[in-house]
Amino acid sequence: GQQVMQIPQYQHVQEGEDFTTYCNSSTTLSNIQWYKQRPGGHPVFLIQLVKSGEVKKQKRLTFQFGEAKKNSSLHITATQTTDVGTYFCSYSGTYKYIFGTGTRLKVLA
Amino acid sequence: DAGVIQSPRHEVTEMGQEVTLRCKPISGHDYLFWYRQTMMRGLELLIYFNNNVPIDDSGMPEDRFSAKMPNASFSTLKIQPSEPRDSAVYFCASAPRNTEAFFGQGTRLTVV
Repeated sequence: GQQVMQIPQYQHVQEGEDFTTYCNSSTTLSNIQWYKQRPGGHPVFLIQLVKSGEVKKQKRLTFQFGEAKKNSSLHITATQTTDVGTYFCSYSGTYKYIFGTGTRLKVLA
Repeated sequence: DAGVIQSPRHEVTEMGQEVTLRCKPISGHDYLFWYRQTMMRGLELLIYFNNNVPIDDSGMPEDRFSAKMPNASFSTLKIQPSEPRDSAVYFCASAPRNTEAFFGQGTRLTVV
């Protein structure tokens, strides 16, 4: 079945540095969602992208859906300690919410 | 709304015992999902329901796992008999349609 790979698997950054995680699919996706899971917590929805080339921003977070709808990225500008957690991309093809492998972000103060 | 409610939050059981995890989805949500999360395998979709009907259980690891949704406000995931490799965090999530999924707090299962 469809698989969604994320890179990198882990990322350590100094507070104030930027961070980007990438999500790649072998097939075209109807949509892409991003979730954040704090350590010891549960995944929490951040945003959904549907259109080819779509870009959305939430404060310091910028989400992008590729033109071919096979990849997506999440970029955080000037990371803060509150950004710590694992970021997952997900797609909901035929109502199955399949999650990527996740990128674990650690922010060093 | 209180969100998706799962119980218990933690469960420790001995190998061979039956384990039942419970979930109350958000009222009005048509879709309910059961996920298993481990370090090795990440977040795996086990099964999902639409309007209380199981739609896809291809992620259920083996016959020891079963899930039911007797009504719109309750679902169970049962493991019988449990094995140490079943140790994981099990999440239940619900969604109104093809939009965001809302996750419960999860049940941390340890099988010794």
